[in-house]
Amino acid sequence: AQKITQTQPGMFVQEKEAVTLDCTYDTSDPSYGLFWYKQPSSGEMIFLIYQGSYDQQNATEGRYSLNFQKARKSANLVISASQLGDSAMYFCEGRQLTFGSGTQLTVLP
Amino acid sequence: GAGVSQSPRYKVAKRGQDVALRCDPISGHVSLFWYQQALGQGPEFLTYFQNEAQLDKSGLPSDRFFAERPEGSVSTLKIQRTQQEDSAVYLCASSAPSGVGSYEQYFGPGTRLTVT
Repeated sequence: AQKITQTQPGMFVQEKEAVTLDCTYDTSDPSYGLFWYKQPSSGEMIFLIYQGSYDQQNATEGRYSLNFQKARKSANLVISASQLGDSAMYFCEGRQLTFGSGTQLTVLP
Repeated sequence: GAGVSQSPRYKVAKRGQDVALRCDPISGHVSLFWYQQALGQGPEFLTYFQNEAQLDKSGLPSDRFFAERPEGSVSTLKIQRTQQEDSAVYLCASSAPSGVGSYEQYFGPGTRLTVT
């Protein structure tokens, strides 16, 4: 079974700064993918970005990008130009429906 | 279009009562997933449907948990003889294509179950 690890329970970032949220995975499957979701205090999970193991380039989606390092088995989420509305829980998910424990991001004004 | 909806949003049950949680996926979505999320934790997979077929129920914690999707659209998660450890948020998600893990999931707002 795939295991997803997020080692940062909480992170703080100043508004307009960039922040990196860590995610490592453990799988023996040569074909896999990683998803990132945002969960605001309202509770609804929102899809942010996806990286497939065979993708040639790191995924980007607006202010979100993935720093995907296959050799290190990491898929870190980078949020550029942080906004107050980015304050939320962030979850990394593997293809086998396994979620990490999440990182609570707080953006400071 | 309409997103995934869940009802009720909040449910308080006395220990031993049966509860039924409903999920309305996005119209036309083939795949439907149920998760259990404890406070401050990531969602834990419960079960997965492709149309009306329940293809994976490995995450259901006990035989008190039962899920169905008889017509391949609306799904119901039933918990019999609720226990305090069942208190959690139950999330439903749907995905357009079939197959697990290839495409993003669209989540509902969840049902917060509190067992007293």
